[in-house]
Amino acid sequence: NAGVTQTPKFQVLKTGQSMTLQCAQDMNHEYMSWYRQDPGMGLRLIHYSVGAGITDQGEVPNGYNVSRSTTEDFPLRLLSAAPSQTSVYFCASSYGRGIGNEKLFFGSGTQLSVL
Amino acid sequence: AQKVTQAQTEISVVEKEDVTLDCVYETRDTTYYLFWYKQPPSGELVFLIRRNSFDEQNEISGRYSWNFQKSTSSFNFTITASQVVDSAVYFCALRRVTGGGNKLTFGTGTQLKVEL
Repeated sequence: NAGVTQTPKFQVLKTGQSMTLQCAQDMNHEYMSWYRQDPGMGLRLIHYSVGAGITDQGEVPNGYNVSRSTTEDFPLRLLSAAPSQTSVYFCASSYGRGIGNEKLFFGSGTQLSVL
Repeated sequence: AQKVTQAQTEISVVEKEDVTLDCVYETRDTTYYLFWYKQPPSGELVFLIRRNSFDEQNEISGRYSWNFQKSTSSFNFTITASQVVDSAVYFCALRRVTGGGNKLTFGTGTQLKVEL
């Protein structure tokens, strides 16, 4: 069971370039989300999804775009990379509503540097 | 708005010492979930515990124990007889019971260093 798979693990971009961070889960989880981790700031929510076709903004959505066409995949798109988007990105998934379904499963992270 | 405060940025202890990591939270919800996650140097996030706000029973798991006090909005984490392998960043997090999918509000983390 692969769990939550993120690719790539490392990426270097130039300012203005665009790219997509991939996230896939094989646990049939309803909920998925993207966080970024910056030194001294913990993890902050970028976007989240409560099911295929449904997405919403989190705390820091600017400069990012998401879509959820399937239950398994939740890609994160950087439209025009900026140095402020240098960060470690984590994808997470969990089951839907219901007691006992609250645990988040995290991917291994993507370290992104924007020059 | 929800907020989680981990005032201890970094803690250093000698192996076998006991150490407590503090977590204070703010929420207007009457029911919510609290979590602790561990992030070792390898970078992944490891789930440690989930606590429902309506269950104030403290929990012990081996060398780990958690003290939840709703009256003071705290959910502290104690490691007994710390080991070098406990060196990591520990995050406390808060989640609403309804709405918002699996949105977690994280604290800024506490870096724990356990030395020989």
